[in-house]
Amino acid sequence: EAQVTQNPRYLITVTGKKLTVTCSQNMNHEYMSWYRQDPGLGLRQIYYSMNVEVTDKGDVPEGYKVSRKEKRNFPLILESPSPNQTSLYFCASSLIGQVQNEQFFGPGTRLTVL
Amino acid sequence: SQELEQSPQSLIVQEGKNLTINCTSSKTLYGLYWYKQKYGEGLIFLMMLQKGGEEKSHEKITAKLDEKKQQSSLHITASQPSHAGIYLCGADPYNQGGKLIFGQGTELSVKP
Repeated sequence: EAQVTQNPRYLITVTGKKLTVTCSQNMNHEYMSWYRQDPGLGLRQIYYSMNVEVTDKGDVPEGYKVSRKEKRNFPLILESPSPNQTSLYFCASSLIGQVQNEQFFGPGTRLTVL
Repeated sequence: SQELEQSPQSLIVQEGKNLTINCTSSKTLYGLYWYKQKYGEGLIFLMMLQKGGEEKSHEKITAKLDEKKQQSSLHITASQPSHAGIYLCGADPYNQGGKLIFGQGTELSVKP
């Protein structure tokens, strides 16, 4: 089954404790992206990657890091989480180089930073 | 930069009623995506529209893209409780695949 998986689905942590949210897709998609969703602000892109070893900042990259060492994986790293990073996070993937490709979303990771 | 505005922001309808959600873009749309999100869950792809005047339907949901390609509407006929959730419109700002920008979403509640 074609899918994007994220782990963990729920995470409660404390300020300053490094964490990683994993994202994996099995569709051989070049493009992967992380979004955060907050009430009243909608979905905002954090980082994206056009292919292996190619990453770039989205609209709200501060406080986050990413890496793309393999095509299927795109982890999101919070080196020193702060309460303002409490949010619902989504990973997504799609093909590129073609017009109008559906973007597939993971189930989401709800992060709470105390 | 391109922005998408959805209206209404929230909607409560009686089961069986029809409803329409609008998505307006600040720039010409190269393509428009509609997603549905159940509360706190992932996004489910509904439909994608590319051409001006295009209309697509899936079960009781119909989406249209206007001729000028700056506005899309999502119409639900005979709403059911299963239609409840958040509807998001998205657009590819660079027309090359990849990044999507989204409207803020429309929260739909359907009363039995």
